[in-house]
Amino acid sequence: DIQMTQSPASLSASLEEIVTITCQASQDIGNWLSWYQQKPGKSPQLLIYGATSLADGVPSRFSGSRSGTQYSLKISRLQVEDIGIYYCLQAYSAWTFGGGTKLELK
Amino acid sequence: QVQLQQSGAELVKPGSSVKISCKASGYTFTSYDMHWIKQQPGNGLEWIGWIYPGNGNTKYNQKFNGKATLTADKSSSTAYMQLSSLTSEDSAVYFCARLNWGFDYWGQGVMVTVSS
Repeated sequence: DIQMTQSPASLSASLEEIVTITCQASQDIGNWLSWYQQKPGKSPQLLIYGATSLADGVPSRFSGSRSGTQYSLKISRLQVEDIGIYYCLQAYSAWTFGGGTKLELK
Repeated sequence: QVQLQQSGAELVKPGSSVKISCKASGYTFTSYDMHWIKQQPGNGLEWIGWIYPGNGNTKYNQKFNGKATLTADKSSSTAYMQLSSLTSEDSAVYFCARLNWGFDYWGQGVMVTVSS
């Protein structure tokens, strides 16, 4: 089974700050990686698919990148509405979520 | 617009079964895989399995083999998940989600509480 190790588990950042969350895959998954944001009591929302493609309606301050088996989600200028929990998801072999990153305001 | 409307919260007894639904609208139901995801209170997301409503093909996370059964009714554009032999470990919110490029639409979630 493919494991997705997400870091950090929690993160405190200031408004307008750059935020980066990473997921390390246990093996090659190509670009079969997506990112989701979940706010309390709500369903997750797709942010990035194919490792780097921005989903419809998602602000351009969100971006995804890949370096080998490490994947990153970057928020270029943190806004209040970006607070929540972020998950990566691999879809190369079955589907596996990362453990999540709780993003809070400093 | 695409919508996935899930059934209401369930309170069920240990050892029993429950069947929850996910009614799709706004797109061709038979053309997209429907996935199911579990989220225990305060925990992360766990993939359960998927069904392709076009032909009923399914695939499960090995952990949920024998626990979850996925079906779909093309006539009503509704996907179902039955959970059997329920224990406290099955108390969770269960989401359905459409697979497009990523899970692009999600249901609102169904809270299942297993308690005597």
